[in-house]
Amino acid sequence: NAGVTQTPKFQVLKTGQSMTLQCAQDMNHEYMSWYRQDPGMGLRLIHYSVGAGITDQGEVPNGYNVSRSTTEDFPLRLLSAAPSQTSVYFCASRVASGKGMNTEAFFGQGTRLTVV
Amino acid sequence: AQSVAQPEDQVNVAEGNPLTVKCTYSVSGNPYLFWYVQYPNRGLQFLLKYITGDNLVKGSYGFEAEFNKSQTSFHLKKPSALVSDSALYFCAVRTSGGSYIPTFGRGTSLIVHP
Repeated sequence: NAGVTQTPKFQVLKTGQSMTLQCAQDMNHEYMSWYRQDPGMGLRLIHYSVGAGITDQGEVPNGYNVSRSTTEDFPLRLLSAAPSQTSVYFCASRVASGKGMNTEAFFGQGTRLTVV
Repeated sequence: AQSVAQPEDQVNVAEGNPLTVKCTYSVSGNPYLFWYVQYPNRGLQFLLKYITGDNLVKGSYGFEAEFNKSQTSFHLKKPSALVSDSALYFCAVRTSGGSYIPTFGRGTSLIVHP
């Protein structure tokens, strides 16, 4: 049971490049989400999903796309990288409400992205 | 709408002394409250949660938190701090009939001095 796995751990992009941050979980969790962490800003929600085929926007969705074709995977795509997207990105998952007592989220180790 | 505030960017405490990391929240409805800890270059780890029941919640590593509905607070406490407790602490909130995803505070850096 690996939990939540994010790849890559580090990435440097040039402005305008695109890339996909991978997130996979092996706990059969329905809910998955992507956050970015910036100094002094805490965690801000980018996109989330409540199940395969269902996604929705969070607080800061611009410049990012997601899809959820399987329960396990929730990739985050940067369409055209900008320096403002330099950040640490975290993926999280949890069991759906109603299947547990409002369980806590499990987080991946993070992806540190630098856009130059 | 739901929001959470951590009024202190940093808390300094001497090893062996009690520590408190503050959190206040704002929700419509009943709150579900969480504390997470982040060590350097790691993801967030769950510490404890309040859903219902006793206002004093006990969690991992000797931490506890007290839910105070009248003050809309959920402060994290530990009777005796360890140097290894030094980390970034996040409070999070969501509601029973609200968002599927919790809202996080900005985080408080706890520094425990030897």
